[in-house]
Amino acid sequence: DTAVSQTPKYLVTQMGNDKSIKCEQNLGHDTMYWYKQDSKKFLKIMFSYNNKELIINETVPNRFSPKSPDKAHLNLHINSLELGDSAVYFCASSPQHSNTEAFFGQGTRLTVV
Amino acid sequence: GNSVTQMEGPVTLSEEAFLTINCTYTATGYPSLFWYVQYPGEGLQLLLKATKADDKGSNKGFEATYRKETTSFHLEKGSVQVSDSAVYFCALVYNQGGKLIFGQGTELSVKP
Repeated sequence: DTAVSQTPKYLVTQMGNDKSIKCEQNLGHDTMYWYKQDSKKFLKIMFSYNNKELIINETVPNRFSPKSPDKAHLNLHINSLELGDSAVYFCASSPQHSNTEAFFGQGTRLTVV
Repeated sequence: GNSVTQMEGPVTLSEEAFLTINCTYTATGYPSLFWYVQYPGEGLQLLLKATKADDKGSNKGFEATYRKETTSFHLEKGSVQVSDSAVYFCALVYNQGGKLIFGQGTELSVKP
């Protein structure tokens, strides 16, 4: 069984569209995250949720809206997509929100054309 | 603020060569330290970790020791294989909502 799964794996869309990426974890973890990996492979956190509550919002444009219906799911909705949003987006989870490792999904490669 | 710096790549080695990827960090307090690996087209996998000073993390022949005095967590492997070709990320986590702070990644290419 996949521990952290995200869909879709690839997403190609036009500028201005709205899209969502879904993430689910079956590890029983309390904390989930979204990270963005740019074209130079640099990874940066976007959001962190603990038990459905927003913990971290790292100066991400408000076109990005995370939604956590329950602690096993953290979806990412992006409005009015821009060319600069093209990246790989990783979902992750960890047992708690301090000093522990995170487990990552396979990533969603978003290409905005 | 907290940050991680690791040696730039790409690093190209021959099979069975010795590998060192340097990683240094800046942090307040006592972070936990990690090495993650990203194989081509895949997500990040935890390679090893250390949670306090002088701890040594090890996995699959890779090792790294948490050195508080030099604020370092260098990754080493005695004999690399072609299958070790990947991007390696050093990272730390501290009590900031659990967010991982990553170094810029080091691409390793191992030739037969």
